[in-house]
Amino acid sequence: EADIYQTPRYLVIGTGKKITLECSQTMGHDKMYWYQQDPGMELHLIHYSYGVNSTEKGDLSSESTVSRIRTEHFPLTLESARPSHTSQYLCASSRQMKETQYFGPGTRLLVL
Amino acid sequence: AQRVTQPEKLLSVFKGAPVELKCNYSYSGSPELFWYVQYSRQRLQLLLRHISRESIKGFTADLNKGETSFHLKKPFAQEEDSAMYYCALNGTGANSKLTFGKGITLSVRP
Repeated sequence: EADIYQTPRYLVIGTGKKITLECSQTMGHDKMYWYQQDPGMELHLIHYSYGVNSTEKGDLSSESTVSRIRTEHFPLTLESARPSHTSQYLCASSRQMKETQYFGPGTRLLVL
Repeated sequence: AQRVTQPEKLLSVFKGAPVELKCNYSYSGSPELFWYVQYSRQRLQLLLRHISRESIKGFTADLNKGETSFHLKKPFAQEEDSAMYYCALNGTGANSKLTFGKGITLSVRP
């Protein structure tokens, strides 16, 4: 079944650790996105990709990086986690930039 | 710059009461507007988009360019409508990105 997956769902980690949040989709979509969402607040776009080997920074500045080596995979990496990175991270995909976005279940990150 | 404003954070109504979730936008061109919904313990999903002109789960939303609004309405709220609702805007450019409002929590009491 076509879907979008995120792992881990929850992550508690210490300051300074390197982390990678995984996002995979079997929707056959070219466009993928990462959003950051603090509790009760709006979603902020932090990265997006038009397709393989394409990555762009979003509207909200983020210390994270992304890669797009395969169409279905769009991982997000934090080289050195800090408490300010504590948030929920949502991955999404769409067929085209202007079309409906489909969201994953999210990863809740807590950096101690 | 494009902006979406949802002026209220919480709306609490009784079952059967009418619901209106407000959304105002700022954009110089002709935007495409969406409502996304997140039910408890579920992922964010599309509820409706203005170009479809559909009624989904009894909800409708009309784009009012004069008032730059895209309010979400339902005549009779149900308990299962309780969720977080986000208004979102996409611009006219081919590579325009989606901008979300801060969201509003709708609570429908029995």
